[in-house]
Amino acid sequence: GDSVTQMEGPVTLSEEAFLTINCTYTATGYPSLFWYVQYPGEGLQLLLKATKADDKGSNKGFEATYRKETTSFHLEKGSVQVSDSAVYFCARDSWGKLQFGAGTQVVVTP
Amino acid sequence: EAGVAQSPRYKIIEKRQSVAFWCNPISGHATLYWYQQILGQGPKLLIQFQNNGVVDDSQLPKDRFSAERLKGVDSTLKIQPAKLEDSAVYLCASSQGTAASGNTIYFGEGSWLTVV
Repeated sequence: GDSVTQMEGPVTLSEEAFLTINCTYTATGYPSLFWYVQYPGEGLQLLLKATKADDKGSNKGFEATYRKETTSFHLEKGSVQVSDSAVYFCARDSWGKLQFGAGTQVVVTP
Repeated sequence: EAGVAQSPRYKIIEKRQSVAFWCNPISGHATLYWYQQILGQGPKLLIQFQNNGVVDDSQLPKDRFSAERLKGVDSTLKIQPAKLEDSAVYLCASSQGTAASGNTIYFGEGSWLTVV
């Protein structure tokens, strides 16, 4: 069946480092893809999304490009801050519902 | 704009007891979801409503879980009797359309359940 796989955490980085979180999906067709972020003690928030192949979603310095050739939607940020410490979830549309990966915890140290 | 409201935020119950969670979606959102998030895992869909009708409840353990959305607005999720493995965060979410159209799905802060 459909699935979303993302890299395991925790990912520990120093402030201003480059961040990449890998996400791949299985699908028939071209589902909409999403990145959600969960800050400590808070609910899930949409970070960015892409609805078709080659679309690039971006928000708050984060970017992800919908790659149909590699069925991937990797999340990147050029220079992370301590405030980016959170759990990041990759998700895909699955028949109108969100199907999530397991989440990747990111810890940014000063 | 008010977000998705959930209550209670935290609940501790003994196994075999019952619990109910309440959700008020964003005004005007026809689609409402309940997700279960076990610690260290991604959220998993329990049930999806479109207005007051059930679209998908294939992953809802119907022997112990029930959910309703009687007037197409608020929703209640009930667990009876609870098991230890039901310890999780229960997330309510809503949207104008579905994820299939790339619609943004908005989540509440969640109801944290601990079964002891």
